[in-house]
Amino acid sequence: DADVTQTPRNRITKTGKRIMLECSQTKGHDRMYWYRQDPGLGLRLIYYSFDVKDINKGEISDGYSVSRQAQAKFSLSLESAIPNQTALYFCATREASTDTQYFGPGTRLTVL
Amino acid sequence: EDKVVQSPLSLVVHEGDTVTLNCSYEVTNFRSLLWYKQEKKAPTFLFMLTSSGIEKKSGRLSSILDKKELFSILNITATQTGDSAVYLCAVQEGNKLVFGAGTILRVKS
Repeated sequence: DADVTQTPRNRITKTGKRIMLECSQTKGHDRMYWYRQDPGLGLRLIYYSFDVKDINKGEISDGYSVSRQAQAKFSLSLESAIPNQTALYFCATREASTDTQYFGPGTRLTVL
Repeated sequence: EDKVVQSPLSLVVHEGDTVTLNCSYEVTNFRSLLWYKQEKKAPTFLFMLTSSGIEKKSGRLSSILDKKELFSILNITATQTGDSAVYLCAVQEGNKLVFGAGTILRVKS
């Protein structure tokens, strides 16, 4: 079984809809991250969390919100999706003692 | 503003060639530099470098960091078609990982 899972893997939605992307991990890591990837721009950090009571904004948090329901679960919400949020979204985890992040398989989101 | 720049943006080589990928950075609170390989979806971890001049090796891949000149290189020797991927460089700056845009490598048979 994969250590970091994301659901859904693909999603097509319309402008204005609320969307939730979910991430679960079995690695036991405290730290979790959400990134988006756009062609030619690499990965950009949206939000990150060091534990269930700690949520931090990343580079591009506008238009997004997150929820850390448990150590193993970190959800990303788009309250009112817009077309420029079309991207590949990755969840990642990291243990506190190292800088290595482990990525989920990604969710490809298309907003029409 | 923190910045990680990779070069070249893309390259095409033939099997057996050796390639060198470059990563330069400007960050205010450097902790480490990481290399990832991204084939179809999720980036997979290759190396983490924290000290200058110490080469990390894994099979045909190797990497080294120069903290004085603020860059790292990733070498791949005897390339194979399976090395075709996007190679991402990222710098741990404080609590955040800042990524470069990546180098697209295509290895032709």
